[in-house]
Parts: sequence; C-alpha cells; structure tokens
Amino acid sequence: DAGITQSPRHKVTETGTPVTLRCHQTENHRYMYWYRQDPGHGLRLIHYSYGVKDTDKGEVSDGYSVSRSKTEDFLLTLESATSSQTSVYFCAIPSRTGNTGELFFGEGSRLTVL
Amino acid sequence: QQQVKQSPQSLIVQKGGISIINCAYENTAFDYFPWYQQFPGKGPALLIAIRPDVSEKKEGRFTISFNKSAKQFSLHIMDSQPGDSATYFCAASIRNTDKLIFGTGTRLQVFP
Repeated sequence: DAGITQSPRHKVTETGTPVTLRCHQTENHRYMYWYRQDPGHGLRLIHYSYGVKDTDKGEVSDGYSVSRSKTEDFLLTLESATSSQTSVYFCAIPSRTGNTGELFFGEGSRLTVL
Repeated sequence: QQQVKQSPQSLIVQKGGISIINCAYENTAFDYFPWYQQFPGKGPALLIAIRPDVSEKKEGRFTISFNKSAKQFSLHIMDSQPGDSATYFCAASIRNTDKLIFGTGTRLQVFP
C-alpha cells in the first residue's frame, strides 16, 4: 500500500561520481520533499517541490539539485558526491490530512560515498 | 540552525515505566507540533500532534504536554512496552508554510 517508492534503497559510490535518487508517489500530491537523516542532526530538509517544475531549497541544499518533470516523480541529484553526503535520504509527501506538519515518508535510500 | 532542541539523546526505560522526551523551540511562529516514531530501517511515521491552543493531547498511552509560555513540549509514553523501542522525533511547523523542522531525535529502548 506504499504511497511512496524510493530507489535505489541502498547505494555505494565513490567520491566525485554523480548519483541520482528517485522518489515515486502514487498519491498525485503537489508537494514532495527530500530530507536527509544523520545521527545528531535529525532530519533536515534538502529541497522540496510544490508542483511540476516548481522547486525550492531547504536548509541543507548545497551540493544537491532536484527535478520534477512529472507529478509522481521527484529526483534528487548529487552532481559530484562527497563523503559528507553519506546519509540516509527520505522522500516525503503531505499526509491525507493536509496539515503542513503531517508528512508521509518513504522507507529511505541509504547512500555511502567512499 | 537548530530551531527545535530535543532531549535526551537516548533513553532506557523498564517495561511498564514512563518514557518522557522533551523539546524546546524558539520561533513563536510555530503553530503545529507533531511527534514522529521511527523503527530501524523504516521511515518516520506520524505518532501524535498538538496545536498550541491546548495544553495536553492524549492518544492511548501517548500524551503530548504543551507549555506555550515556556516554549516547551514533551511526549509521555505511559506503561512503556518493548514494542515502543524506536527513535522519536519532535517537530514544528508554521501554518501555510511548506517546511517542517525536526528535533535531533531520541532513541528509546524499553527492556522487559
């Protein structure tokens, strides 16, 4: 019944290589979010989208870009991965309640940059 | 910048005990305060939430206490169970904005 599918779920890559993470939703929601989760930092917003081709930066957007060419897909790209981008990345959409503070998260993509 | 401060970082409680996690915020424009529960290998899931016009909200064994003047809120888990072992995040958002600010998380372990 997953409304969000993230791929890949696990990836190991080398410093300097490009990486793209994909988030696919089946809820037809306007808003989509990318967060990263790191020990001691909780979840921090990287970028978000409020519609096709409409995106904005979050608090930790440096080194990341996003694209949204279809309502259902939100891509997060690391143009040149660095070790500091080793993290677990979560995609989220608003829950069916519509409250800003209520998000439904995917299961995460664990990225390791060597 | 960390706008929501959460403590403790980790918590060990015996089965049947009360688990208490505290959060404090600075931005008085925050008007919605959800708590999320995360099990290993899974994404965070909404547990319970409160607006600042009420001082307490209870859902089953989970209670949020809210102190607007002190800009603090806390999660109480009564009769804690081993199945409650998870990481808990408090969060805050501003009405009509698109962003949710999270605390740093508390890892709860409940031992039988």
